[in-house]
Amino acid sequence: DAMVIQNPRYQVTQFGKPVTLSCSQTLNHNVMYWYQQKSSQAPKLLFHYYDKDFNNEADTPDNFQSRRPNTSFCFLDIRSPGLGDAAMYLCATSRERNIQYFGAGTRLSVL
Amino acid sequence: AQKVTQAQTEISVVEKEDVTLDCVYETRDTTYYLFWYKQPPSGELVFLIRRNSFDEQNEISGRYSWNFQKSTSSFNFTITASQVVDSAVYFCALSEASGFQLSFGAGTTVTVRA
Repeated sequence: DAMVIQNPRYQVTQFGKPVTLSCSQTLNHNVMYWYQQKSSQAPKLLFHYYDKDFNNEADTPDNFQSRRPNTSFCFLDIRSPGLGDAAMYLCATSRERNIQYFGAGTRLSVL
Repeated sequence: AQKVTQAQTEISVVEKEDVTLDCVYETRDTTYYLFWYKQPPSGELVFLIRRNSFDEQNEISGRYSWNFQKSTSSFNFTITASQVVDSAVYFCALSEASGFQLSFGAGTTVTVRA
């Protein structure tokens, strides 16, 4: 029944080793988002795709990239993870600017 | 710039007590949307409600109710007869009609003790 699916749920990577997180959706929503949520903080938007158009938030570090090969999938690439990138990464989708539905998140640890 | 403030960091209650979570927002837009999301320990953000700026009608859904007051820029959330399963972090959020960003408050951790 899960409509926004994130894999894996837990990811451990090494300092500086590239990592990719994935998100898929069955809602056929045209907008997909990536949020970063650090411990005991609110989610913070990194970027979103409106259809195929990529929209980066002004303060998102260059270390974070994203790909959306089709409507259903979106990937978050962290090129050189640092210790400060350890967080929960949440994917969300919406139809236009309507309600955002979130996945269960991927908790990233950086060793 | 939009901003959401949740004054309570943590609330602890005994089961069956009512609990009210405060949310105050700031925006320059006349058209905007307010949300409440629940984040249980599993981590997923669960959508609870959306209200648009032109609809000040209060809403009740089971044990949940919401009070939107434009005059005080507040959108408060009450859980009636709380249960242990209500234990979670609750986020109030705002989005402006012109954009895609959801601006979240800092969250309120609700702990319901049996």
